Amino acid sequence: AQSVTQLDSQVPVFEEAPVELRCNYSSSVSVYLFWYVQYPNQGLQLLLKYLSGSTLVKGINGFEAEFNKSQTSFHLRKPSVHISDTAEYFCAVSDRGTSGTYKYIFGTGTRLKVLA
Amino acid sequence: KAGVTQTPRYLIKTRGQQVTLSCSPISGHRSVSWYQQTPGQGLQFLFEYFSETQRNKGNFPGRFSGRQFSNSRSEMNVSTLELGDSALYLCASSRGLAGTHTGELFFGEGSRLTVL
Repeated sequence: AQSVTQLDSQVPVFEEAPVELRCNYSSSVSVYLFWYVQYPNQGLQLLLKYLSGSTLVKGINGFEAEFNKSQTSFHLRKPSVHISDTAEYFCAVSDRGTSGTYKYIFGTGTRLKVLA
Repeated sequence: KAGVTQTPRYLIKTRGQQVTLSCSPISGHRSVSWYQQTPGQGLQFLFEYFSETQRNKGNFPGRFSGRQFSNSRSEMNVSTLELGDSALYLCASSRGLAGTHTGELFFGEGSRLTVL
């Protein structure tokens, strides 16, 4: 079965420093990949998505991610973070299982804490 | 265009009671998915409804049920509440079936249930 691994449960980083949040998924023939952000007491908001095409995907708020098929990774990056980026970030994979039913599978999340 | 609306936002119940949560999807979206979010378990998929039919179901006991109406609005019900049901319940809508290329999820802000 498909799985999504976010190895870092918490990532502290100073303001204006770069950040990378890691996401790996188990191999599949074809997947769609997503990053969501959740601010306190709110739902999840889509940051960016990879459906096909260019492996470098740009999203909102200056975030980008790169799809690496050989390493089955979809790491999220931002060159310079702001205090307002403090939130929880979820990687998600959509996979068509053997039953033919698509499933959205979420990672366990990474808490990004931006320090002044 | 209006986003996904969940009501109520907060509620407190006691063990043994039942609760009904409501979700109004984005106009034109035919799929509604429900998730339970807890600090220890992350996002757990409950079920997905598309055109009034349950299309996918997670591993939750029968106390958790849902339905979808002809206008795509959805409700979920939890009967005989247990302390462990305390969680943030998130609803997400999508144009097509969740996980397909038209199935990008748009989340509501959630209903926070506390069971005493």
